Amino acid sequence: AQSVAQPEDQVNVAEGNPLTVKCTYSVSGNPYLFWYVQYPNRGLQFLLKYITGDNLVKGSYGFEAEFNKSQTSFHLKKPSALVSDSALYFCAVRDPTGNTGGFKTIFGAGTRLFVKA
Amino acid sequence: GAVVSQHPSWVICKSGTSVKIECRSLDFQATTMFWYRQFPKQSLMLMATSNEGSKATYEQGVEKDKFLINHASLTLSTLTVTSAHPEDSSFYICSAIQGQGITEAFFGQGTRLTVV
Repeated sequence: AQSVAQPEDQVNVAEGNPLTVKCTYSVSGNPYLFWYVQYPNRGLQFLLKYITGDNLVKGSYGFEAEFNKSQTSFHLKKPSALVSDSALYFCAVRDPTGNTGGFKTIFGAGTRLFVKA
Repeated sequence: GAVVSQHPSWVICKSGTSVKIECRSLDFQATTMFWYRQFPKQSLMLMATSNEGSKATYEQGVEKDKFLINHASLTLSTLTVTSAHPEDSSFYICSAIQGQGITEAFFGQGTRLTVV
């Protein structure tokens, strides 16, 4: 069965510093990996995805993520954090071999990012 | 990007009544829609997957008679919480996928349901 782990409930970083939000996954086949961001009382917004190709994926708002197959990780990064980046971040995985045609998306528990001015 | 609209954004209902939540894809045809439930400070729990014109596939532990899902068209899915109880109070979020390709899901803004 597919699963996603976000080991940190919360990440604190000072504005201007680099940030990393960790994610590891487990799927039976090659994974489709996603990062989403959620602001209070709102739905999720898509940040970036990895399907195949380059291990470093660039996304919205200056975020990027690196797919590491050997470590089964897909950590989210940003070189210079902004206060406005403070939000809840979810890593998600889809297993293309799943019985719903690979559309079923499983989310990690979420990591709350606090960026201090 | 594609827009998914969820309505209402919040609703308060009395225990024992039913509540319908709508999820619409505004500028694309959604072959597959998903319904999630999110508890405070927790992740999204997938409740069911629905494809247009067919019965929804419910996740283990989700009561299909309590959470009725209808995906009547390629742009509309509804979730009806029947005979609501206070423990059904939660944040419900829908998402939609366009086409059959490997695309990201687009999410509605969520519905905060409070059962009193």
